[in-house]
Amino acid sequence: EAEVAQSPRYKITEKSQAVAFWCDPISGHATLYWYRQILGQGPELLVQFQDESVVDDSQLPKDRFSAERLKGVDSTLKIQPAELGDSAMYLCASSLRRDRNYEQYFGPGTRLTVT
Amino acid sequence: AQSVTQLGSHVSVSEGALVLLRCNYSSSVPPYLFWYVQYPNQGLQLLLKYTSAATLVKGINGFEAEFKKSETSFHLTKPSAHMSDAAEYFCAVSVPVSGSARQLTFGSGTQLTVLP
Repeated sequence: EAEVAQSPRYKITEKSQAVAFWCDPISGHATLYWYRQILGQGPELLVQFQDESVVDDSQLPKDRFSAERLKGVDSTLKIQPAELGDSAMYLCASSLRRDRNYEQYFGPGTRLTVT
Repeated sequence: AQSVTQLGSHVSVSEGALVLLRCNYSSSVPPYLFWYVQYPNQGLQLLLKYTSAATLVKGINGFEAEFKKSETSFHLTKPSAHMSDAAEYFCAVSVPVSGSARQLTFGSGTQLTVLP
C-alpha cells in the first residue's frame, strides 16, 4: 500500500540553528499539507499546496518558516532559526483531490526537539 | 467558522466494554466529518468519514460513528474495546478555504486507555 514518506523521523537541534524536513506524498496526489502537532493537541495546518502552488499559508510563521514544493511532488519545510517553542511533531499529509470528498493520508511525522 | 470540540481529553474503559468518544461540531454549512486515530510517535490513520451519505458510518477496526444534525454530534463508538485500541483519537471537520479547496480542522484529541 502506498504511503506518505517523511524524513528524518526524529531531529534534535539547538536553538537558532536551521532545520529541514522532507516529505514525499503518495504518487499522484496533487494536494500536500504540512501540519504542526504540539504534544497533547490536535494537528494545526501550516501550509497547503495544490501541485506546486501554495493554496494557504496563513498559519505559517513566515519570519522563520518556509515551505516549497518545486516540482509539485515532494516538499521541504524549513525552520530558520529554530526556537524552543518549535518543539513538536511535524506531520505531512497528501490527498488525491482537494475538494469535499477527499481523504488525507498522513506520514509518520518528524519529531523535532529544540534545545 | 467550522470547529470541533472533543469532550473528555482522557477516557478509560475496561477491555470488552463499550467505547464512546464524544465529538461536537460547529458548522455553517453541511459538514464533512472525520475520525482519525494516532498511535504513539506515528502519523494519523483515518478510521471513518461522514460525507453526507448514510448518517451511521462504519469504519475500520470495528468503530462506527453516527451523524446527528439535531445534536451537532459525531460520536465514535465501538461495542467491545480491545487492548490494541489504546491510542489518541481525533475528530476533524472539513472546512472550505478557497474555490473548491478544503482543509481539516482537528479537535484537541481524546486519549483512550483500555484497562485489562
